[in-house]
Amino acid sequence: KQEVTQIPAALSVPEGENLVLNCSFTDSAIYNLQWFRQDPGKGLTSLLLIQSSQREQTSGRLNASLDKSSGRSTLYIAASQPGDSATYLCAVGDQGAQKLVFGQGTRLTINP
Amino acid sequence: GAVVSQHPSRVICKSGTSVKIECRSLDFQATTMFWYRQFPKQSLMLMATSNEGSKATYEQGVEKDKFLINHASLTLSTLTVTSAHPEDSSFYICSAFGGGSETQYFGPGTRLLVL
Repeated sequence: KQEVTQIPAALSVPEGENLVLNCSFTDSAIYNLQWFRQDPGKGLTSLLLIQSSQREQTSGRLNASLDKSSGRSTLYIAASQPGDSATYLCAVGDQGAQKLVFGQGTRLTINP
Repeated sequence: GAVVSQHPSRVICKSGTSVKIECRSLDFQATTMFWYRQFPKQSLMLMATSNEGSKATYEQGVEKDKFLINHASLTLSTLTVTSAHPEDSSFYICSAFGGGSETQYFGPGTRLLVL
């Protein structure tokens, strides 16, 4: 059974810092991996989707990497801003991405 | 981009009543819809997968008679929480898969509070 773990559970950094969020998964036979953002009381916003054949994806200040063999992914946020404050969820797609297994999330706070 | 809506966004009900939550894909046909449950400060847990015109597939530990799912059309799935109890209070999120995409599109969620 696939298990997804995110470390740290919470992170607080001053504005402007670069930071890395970690995600690990137990079964390397994944279809894809996705990073989401969730604001309090809201739904999910997809940030980056990495196919199993890819090693990284970039969107603006965000860069996500994938190392299937070691069962790890990282989300790199450059030049953090207070608006980046949210919970970031990592999800692994199995069975043609029709099943997503989520990590517990990292609650990120960027202090002005 | 693909949009998924949920209605209602928030509902408060008395214990013992049933509550229906709608999930709609607004600009694409969803071959598959998913229902998740999220407790405070916890991650999303998949409850069930529904395909249009067929019975939903429930995850282990989810009572199918408690959480009734109907996927009557390619743009609408409903989740009915029957005889709701306070422990059913949670944030319910749906997602839809289809339109040629390789990702699920998530609704904004419905917060259920059972008194």
